[in-house]
Amino acid sequence: AQKITQTQPGMFVQEKEAVTLDCTYDTSDQSYGLFWYKQPSSGEMIFLIYQGSYDEQNATEGRYSLNFQKARKSANLVISASQLGDSAMYFCAMSGYSGGGADGLTFGKGTHLIIQP
Amino acid sequence: NAGVTQTPKFQVLKTGQSMTLQCAQDMNHNSMYWYRQDPGMGLRLIYYSASEGTTDKGEVPNGYNVSRLNKREFSLRLESAAPSQTSVYFCASSASRNTGELFFGEGSRLTVL
Repeated sequence: AQKITQTQPGMFVQEKEAVTLDCTYDTSDQSYGLFWYKQPSSGEMIFLIYQGSYDEQNATEGRYSLNFQKARKSANLVISASQLGDSAMYFCAMSGYSGGGADGLTFGKGTHLIIQP
Repeated sequence: NAGVTQTPKFQVLKTGQSMTLQCAQDMNHNSMYWYRQDPGMGLRLIYYSASEGTTDKGEVPNGYNVSRLNKREFSLRLESAAPSQTSVYFCASSASRNTGELFFGEGSRLTVL
């Protein structure tokens, strides 16, 4: 079975600082994907970034980057130059087929990020 | 672009009542999913459908049934609602069965009294 662990229930960060949100995962799959989603207070789920397990380069999307350390089974999200609009819940998730496991993504419990002016 | 549409957005039920959450996607995706979100629990998979005509249980299927009516529509039914089913429900779809990004609906907030 797959498992995602996010150890930071909540974080306070000053505006314009960089933020690292931690995510570790556990899987027996050789091929898998790692995702980060943002959920603002309005409730919708917004896809941020994706990293495939065989991708050699860390994924980047604008101010978002994914620090992928395969040996450590970690997939931390880095937000550069944080903005007030980054205040939200952030979920780490993974995909992969475990030969009998459910399809779809397995989610962590989330990190509530608050950006302070 | 509509993407994934869920109805209703809000619903209040009494214990024992039944209801159906509707979900439709217009992206021609094969896979569709129902998740529930509870405080401090993240999103947990209730049921999924890898293709039209197939459905499978996820992590928390008890108390729910689903129907994949056609490629576009995937409904979630609560036959006899319980307070423990108070939650926010998300429908999602994906072009790829296991490796693809999920596209989510806006969520449906259900309260069972």
